[in-house]
Amino acid sequence: DTGVSQNPRHKITKRGQNVTFRCDPISEHNRLYWYRQTLGQGPEFLTYFQNEAQLEKSRLLSDRFSAERPKGSFSTLEIQRTEQGDSAMYLCASSYRGGLAGGVNEQFFGPGTRLTVL
Amino acid sequence: GENVEQHPSTLSVQEGDSAVIKCTYSDSASNYFPWYKQELGKRPQLIIDIRSNVGEKKDQRIAVTLNKTAKHFSLHITETQPEDSAVYFCAASSTNTGKLIFGQGTTLQVKP
Repeated sequence: DTGVSQNPRHKITKRGQNVTFRCDPISEHNRLYWYRQTLGQGPEFLTYFQNEAQLEKSRLLSDRFSAERPKGSFSTLEIQRTEQGDSAMYLCASSYRGGLAGGVNEQFFGPGTRLTVL
Repeated sequence: GENVEQHPSTLSVQEGDSAVIKCTYSDSASNYFPWYKQELGKRPQLIIDIRSNVGEKKDQRIAVTLNKTAKHFSLHITETQPEDSAVYFCAASSTNTGKLIFGQGTTLQVKP
């Protein structure tokens, strides 16, 4: 499968625990995005990377959230001291942006990690 | 700030009828407008997109129109089929970041 993959698919944790999710983008894609989706809502932007550089982080994102993409390939999203309000589907998407004149290209989504905080 | 409004929130049509979903965006820098279809428990799937240098794009039974002046764009599905039933999301982004700002979604039900 050459699409975007995410692991784990489901995570149940107790309030106050730390969790980490992984996203493997399509191999030639240099941009990677994280979104959060709650029931009945559209995905909400969290952060994105171009190669290994984190270029933007949502102002709504708590400092308990951190993301990395150390080698410009896979990315991890960590949530520290989880709260019940963190329960959601965490979606990863990737795309390719060409050189200086390159425009925005299609984002392809992974299957998501569903987080439940008890 | 950046915002995308989507209407209606639910839409029920008879098989064979047309369905129209409308979105409005606020950021003038937006120049890319994709539409995603999401079935229950599945990932969002891109079904069509349009860039700001065109006013309309069509792919078989699906078409999208864009009015940059009014900051409106719409999805049109003709000859709807039961398998078109899903939640549809519009989104807007700018070339610089590519981050997608999504609408609230429209639940489309196509009755056989």
